[in-house]
Amino acid sequence: AQSVTQLDSQVPVFEEAPVELRCNYSSSVSVYLFWYVQYPNQGLQLLLKYLSGSTLVKGINGFEAEFNKSQTSFHLRKPSVHISDTAEYFCAVSDRRSGGAQKLVFGQGTRLTINP
Amino acid sequence: GAGVSQSPRYKVAKRGQDVALRCDPISGHVSLFWYQQALGQGPEFLTYFQNEAQLDKSGLPSDRFFAERPEGSVSTLKIQRTQQEDSAVYLCASSLSGQPQHFGDGTRLSIL
Repeated sequence: AQSVTQLDSQVPVFEEAPVELRCNYSSSVSVYLFWYVQYPNQGLQLLLKYLSGSTLVKGINGFEAEFNKSQTSFHLRKPSVHISDTAEYFCAVSDRRSGGAQKLVFGQGTRLTINP
Repeated sequence: GAGVSQSPRYKVAKRGQDVALRCDPISGHVSLFWYQQALGQGPEFLTYFQNEAQLDKSGLPSDRFFAERPEGSVSTLKIQRTQQEDSAVYLCASSLSGQPQHFGDGTRLSIL
């Protein structure tokens, strides 16, 4: 079984400042890693994913994340945030062994609020 | 349409009523997932279909929850004898086999 811990429930930052949203996971098997963003009253949109290869993954909207196997972390970063980045962010994992049946296990979410 | 479509977007029901939530996946996506998202929480897995076969229903919280995908396309999640704890957003996602999931906007279910 897998579990995901997002260490901050809320992160307020000023516009154009950098931000890091933290994610740690626990799993007895190898996993794929994902970050999703959820805007109010909408579904989840994939920001980026780590499947294999380079541990630094770049996604949409200027976000990137780094997979750290030894620390079982997959923190999300953006060097300069915009008001439009205000949303809920979810870290998720899935079992590599499940092939097409990649059900996602999500963290509790981090609410990112950008202040002008 | 281009994305996953869910209907209705909002559903209010009285405790004890049965409800049915519909999901239209992206055309050609063989994998379909249902998740339940309680207020202020991350989504939790309910069930998974590959085409018309329900391969995993380990997340369904009780036998009041039932899902089907009879022709391998549209799926319906049915909840019988609804309870207040069933109030949540129900998210549907679809994908090509082994590819990342695309989510619909969800159905917000409120049980009075």
